[in-house]
Amino acid sequence: EIVMTQSPATLSVSPGERATLSCRASQSVSSNLAWYQQKPGQAPRLLIYGASTRATGIPARFSGSGSGTEFTLTISSLQSEDFAVYYCQQYNNWPLFGGGTKVEIK
Amino acid sequence: EVQLLESGGDLVQPGGSLRLSCAASGFTFSSSAMSWVRQAPGKGLEWVSAISSGGHNTYYADSVKGRFTISRDNSKNTMYLQMNSLRAEDTAVYYCAKPTGGVRNGYFDLWGRGALVTVSS
Repeated sequence: EIVMTQSPATLSVSPGERATLSCRASQSVSSNLAWYQQKPGQAPRLLIYGASTRATGIPARFSGSGSGTEFTLTISSLQSEDFAVYYCQQYNNWPLFGGGTKVEIK
Repeated sequence: EVQLLESGGDLVQPGGSLRLSCAASGFTFSSSAMSWVRQAPGKGLEWVSAISSGGHNTYYADSVKGRFTISRDNSKNTMYLQMNSLRAEDTAVYYCAKPTGGVRNGYFDLWGRGALVTVSS
């Protein structure tokens, strides 16, 4: 059974700074990895799929990388609207989400 | 407009039943696999169930297998989740979501706003 682990649980960042979020799979999921953003009271929003492809309408400051078991979501310069919780999801074999990383204002 | 709209969320007693609906619009529903994903208060996301485009194949998380039933009516562009023998741990916001890539190996590119199910006496 695959386990998805996100770190850190909380990331404190100042506006304009770079944020780097990590997602680790307990076994290889190839590039079958997606990232979502969720704000309070809202549904998740797809940011990245295929580990590195931005979804429609997602700003270029969001980028994804990695394959196999190690993945990274980078937000190059945090805007006020980017403070939220971010989830990774593997879809190599049945959907499974990580526990999330909360990006908060420092 | 492409959207999913859940309904049917409510307060129900432990052991009770509830049926959620998800109305789809703006895309070819009958060609799309569909899923339910839930989120307990203050917790992360958990995939619950999925159904193939034609409705012939259904899939469940172990946590709900034998208690929940997913179905769809393509003539009404609507998916359902019948929830029986509800437990306190089923308390969550239930999202319907459209997977891209397949029933068992897709990511979710469209989400509804969610329906709150509270199981409490």
